[in-house]
Amino acid sequence: DSGVTQTPKHLITATGQRVTLRCSPRSGDLSVYWYQQSLDQGLQFLIQYYNGEERAKGNILERFSAQQFPDLHSELNLSSLELGDSALYFCASSPGSLENTEAFFGQGTRLTVV
Amino acid sequence: DQQVKQNSPSLSVQEGRISILNCDYTNSMFDYFLWYKKYPAEGPTFLISISSIKDKNEDGRFTVFLNKSAKHLSLHIVPSQPGDSAVYFCAASTPQGGSEKLVFGKGMKLTVNP
Repeated sequence: DSGVTQTPKHLITATGQRVTLRCSPRSGDLSVYWYQQSLDQGLQFLIQYYNGEERAKGNILERFSAQQFPDLHSELNLSSLELGDSALYFCASSPGSLENTEAFFGQGTRLTVV
Repeated sequence: DQQVKQNSPSLSVQEGRISILNCDYTNSMFDYFLWYKKYPAEGPTFLISISSIKDKNEDGRFTVFLNKSAKHLSLHIVPSQPGDSAVYFCAASTPQGGSEKLVFGKGMKLTVNP
């Protein structure tokens, strides 16, 4: 158990809909990272938050947004969903920056868009 | 542009033998390298890491070697065990003040046969 909790584990929704994925980081971790893993792809970095503020952005679509709340949990919002958005979405956390340290991953949310 | 490459998608070895997983990178700014292991339906789990100031780091059966001039790292597992069967991801990060993210390869599926 990494200490990072993601809900829900599975989500099936229709094209055009909007969903929210939730992540609770490890106790004490200030940074939260979101990654997307599509079929046969590695983990693609989407966005990072540190103590409530956006710190880094990857190849995140404009239809996607995220935020980190005062209690440090984070939500990833995916809207106007397309079939290609079907993927595993992972949240990770770390105490601060990733300088000489690792991130701890949750079990992921499997999103299926039909 | 894939900055971290795992060119072999799979590897099969016999129990007790050595497993060698390879990883190449293109960004010379990377200074910290990590290996993660992932079982089906679970999130990636940190395995071992190495800083760019070292060329070898060992932890039990797992050893990571870094060749900075060749921009190449490898993970050696000796002896391999059936429980090591998983997908292994190579990842890299840049120094603090740079990108706050881990860049992952596409992963390699290791199968250790009894």
